[in-house]
Amino acid sequence: GQQLNQSPQSMFIQEGEDVSMNCTSSSIFNTWLWYKQDPGEGPVLLIALYKAGELTSNGRLTAQFGITRKDSFLNISASIPSDVGIYFCAGQLGRGTYKYIFGTGTRLKVLA
Amino acid sequence: DTAVSQTPKYLVTQMGNDKSIKCEQNLGHDTMYWYKQDSKKFLKIMFSYNNKELIINETVPNRFSPKSPDKAHLNLHINSLELGDSAVYFCASSREWYGYTFGSGTRLTVV
Repeated sequence: GQQLNQSPQSMFIQEGEDVSMNCTSSSIFNTWLWYKQDPGEGPVLLIALYKAGELTSNGRLTAQFGITRKDSFLNISASIPSDVGIYFCAGQLGRGTYKYIFGTGTRLKVLA
Repeated sequence: DTAVSQTPKYLVTQMGNDKSIKCEQNLGHDTMYWYKQDSKKFLKIMFSYNNKELIINETVPNRFSPKSPDKAHLNLHINSLELGDSAVYFCASSREWYGYTFGSGTRLTVV
C-alpha cells in the first residue's frame, strides 16, 4: 500500500539548533498533517496544511506543503529539550476522504 | 475533561482470551477511528465510523470487531487474542476529514 517516507529516521541535535525533517511519497496528497508523539502518549496535531505551496507556522514550528503535492517538510527553530519525541507526517489521499496515511516517523533527541 | 479517553491504558492477557477496549470523545466530532501502532511505532488505520456508520474497514483479521453505539463512543473487541496482536491501540476522532485528535493509547500485551 501507500507509504510515506520520513527522513531522517532519527537525529540528535544540540539545544538551540534548528531542525529540519521531511516527508516524501510517490502519491499525491490533498492534505498534510504533522504530529508529535511523546512517550506513552498519543500523537498531538502540530500543523495542518491544506493547499499546495502553503507555508504555516505554529510558534517555533514551520511546515510547508510541497508544490508537487508529494512532499512536505517541518522545521523547528531553536530547539529545546521538550522538543524530544517522534514526529509523524500524515497525508490525506483523496479530497474528503477520512483516511490518512502516516509516515515512518522521525525520532528527535535534543542534547542540553 | 479529557477530549478522547480510552480504557484501559494497559491490558495484559493470555493468548486465546477475548478482550475489549473502550473509547469516548467529548469533542462533538462525528467520526472516530482505531489505529494500531506496532513496536516500530508505525501507525496503521484499522477502522473508522462516521455517525455510527462503518466507513473504513482495512484488512484486519475478523477477530477484531468495532462497535459504535453512538457518535461519542467507539469500542474495539478482539476475540481469540494472539501474540502478534500485542501493540498500542489508539482511538482518535475528527470533525469530518480534518486532523485527528488521538487518545493516549491502550498498550495490549498478549502472553
